[in-house]
Amino acid sequence: QLQLQESGPGLVKPSETLSLTCTVSGGSISSSSYYWGWIRQPPGKGLEWIGSIYYSGSTYYNPSLKSRVTISVDTSKNQFSLKLSSVTAADTAVYYCQQLVRGVCKNWGQGTLVTVSS
Amino acid sequence: EIVLTQSPGTLSLSPGERATLSCRASQSVSSSYLAWYQQKPGQAPRLLIYGASSRATGIPDRFSGSGSGTDFTLTISRLEPEDFAVYYCQQYGSSPELTFGGGTKVEIK
Repeated sequence: QLQLQESGPGLVKPSETLSLTCTVSGGSISSSSYYWGWIRQPPGKGLEWIGSIYYSGSTYYNPSLKSRVTISVDTSKNQFSLKLSSVTAADTAVYYCQQLVRGVCKNWGQGTLVTVSS
Repeated sequence: EIVLTQSPGTLSLSPGERATLSCRASQSVSSSYLAWYQQKPGQAPRLLIYGASSRATGIPDRFSGSGSGTDFTLTISRLEPEDFAVYYCQQYGSSPELTFGGGTKVEIK
């Protein structure tokens, strides 16, 4: 069964760059059938799509975050990554990675809380 | 950008009752790309319904989805104790981008 696991610092200082990695196990990130993505959820709030990537490297970002987001893929490690620059307290959230199948978030990581604070 | 509006914000019901959750889109959504998720506290969302009406693997048949165009519904025919949670609808656009509704909390009355 496919599993995803987020990893990265749980605390980031304001104005710095948030960096997370999602490791995929039980399947290949290079499958042509899937996209891979990031979604976040501020404490007590709803879900916000950040962006998605295809194994070839094609990326799609939420327009509201596009200027600050970079998603990349490393097929050799079966991983994909998120970088969010110039973070503020508003970026404090649980960050989830997921596998997208025809636009549907089929499998999710457990999520990782990232707090932006000095 | 398509906006999804879920109603009600909170639904207070008793176990055994029927729950009807609404998801309305600001413009027409392809039924193929409308999904529903369940989220319990401290957990990642779980896919319930995709393609507006198809249950995901392992989802009990008390969960059903319907609708087309701009109006979609998730129905839980008889609430079990484990069904009290927050439910989100999601659509997948042509960009391709994903948007989520604001969620409906189903709580125990």
